[in-house]
Amino acid sequence: DAGVIQSPRHEVTEMGQEVTLRCKPISGHDYLFWYRQTMMRGLELLIYFNNNVPIDDSGMPEDRFSAKMPNASFSTLKIQPSEPRDSAVYFCASSDRGQNSPLHFGNGTRLTVT
Amino acid sequence: DAKTTQPPSMDCAEGRAANLPCNHSTISGNEYVYWYRQIHSQGPQYIIHGLKNNETNEMASLIITEDRKSSTLILPHATLRDTAVYYCIVRVVSNYQLIWGAGTKLIIKP
Repeated sequence: DAGVIQSPRHEVTEMGQEVTLRCKPISGHDYLFWYRQTMMRGLELLIYFNNNVPIDDSGMPEDRFSAKMPNASFSTLKIQPSEPRDSAVYFCASSDRGQNSPLHFGNGTRLTVT
Repeated sequence: DAKTTQPPSMDCAEGRAANLPCNHSTISGNEYVYWYRQIHSQGPQYIIHGLKNNETNEMASLIITEDRKSSTLILPHATLRDTAVYYCIVRVVSNYQLIWGAGTKLIIKP
């Protein structure tokens, strides 16, 4: 079991540029989550998918943020255009079916927008 | 969802048991207690969860009081690698919105 895989590990970009973060969930997991972590706000849920369908995107901060899950093994989180306040660590997590299943997190992407 | 209260930091000697308390006095009957930890520069790692009975796995034990208003995570033989931020979370089974607090920073000292 390779765990949840995120790429890139670090991303530095300039304000206004498009940023795409990638996630490969654990094989067989039906749920995929995107979280953001900052010192000020801690861990925040941005959006989650069930069977590739977005279920709750109420945590997505603005229209500049979008997430897709084209298949069961891949998801992207895109920020366009990026702003300095988007700087944070973005985590992807997955869990298998069953509402009581724990979340398994990737090691995150540290995004810095200058 | 109910909120939790944890001490901001704790120390523990290597090899001793680390006992991390959590207060969740407003927990509802359908909310589970979950524990995660986050080692520096890594994603949160699931440790254990429970509803009302005490639970044990290869990582830790979870002791939940009879009134369910508080719980304690026990790491039986702490090692330096257990230094991390430990999060106590209450979660409604039907809701994936985990409310993450500030956690307890546990420092294991040699």
